Amino acid sequence: ELKVEQNPLFLSMQEGKNYTIYCNYSTTSDRLYWYRQDPGKSLESLFVLLSNGAVKQEGRLMASLDTKARLSTLHITAAVHDLSATYFCAVVTNFGNEKLTFGTGTRLTIIP
Amino acid sequence: DGGITQSPKYLFRKEGQNVTLSCEQNLNHDAMYWYRQDPGQGLRLIYYSQIVNDFQKGDIAEGYSVSREKKESFPLTVTSAQKNPTAFYLCASSIDRGGGLNTEAFFGQGTRLTVV
Repeated sequence: ELKVEQNPLFLSMQEGKNYTIYCNYSTTSDRLYWYRQDPGKSLESLFVLLSNGAVKQEGRLMASLDTKARLSTLHITAAVHDLSATYFCAVVTNFGNEKLTFGTGTRLTIIP
Repeated sequence: DGGITQSPKYLFRKEGQNVTLSCEQNLNHDAMYWYRQDPGQGLRLIYYSQIVNDFQKGDIAEGYSVSREKKESFPLTVTSAQKNPTAFYLCASSIDRGGGLNTEAFFGQGTRLTVV
């Protein structure tokens, strides 16, 4: 059974600091997604990572994928308050009958 | 504009009633998914479908049913057998692998179901 684990579950950090959220998964995967969710809202797509070594960046967020280690990271650079949200990774498995399984989520709070 | 639409946004159900949540997409996506989210928790997969007239149970399918009669539509019925249905329900769609590698999975705005 696929397990997708994120850590930390909760993260409180000051504005201007850097930090990394980790996403580990237990089986081979076709692709990996990162999402952002604001309180009471739906999920907003941030990144799609397709292959080993893939790196994508948007503003202060950068995501990477290591398929050999079954690990993805979401790095936050010089955090600002607007980045406060819950971040989820999600993994696609069962090639040909795709199933999208989510991690536990990381609730990020940026303190001014 | 292309997108995925869920309705209603808020839904109230009396105990013992069945209710149906709508999910429609005009993205020509093959794969569609239903998730449940409880307060402060992650997303749990209820059902998913790769093609019309076919669907698979997810991790928490008991008390729910779905149909996929059209590619654009994947309604979810919360039956009276679901003992704790109050939650936030999210529908998603994505292109099947055969449609290309660079795919995204998009989400609707969600339906908040409350049992009264």
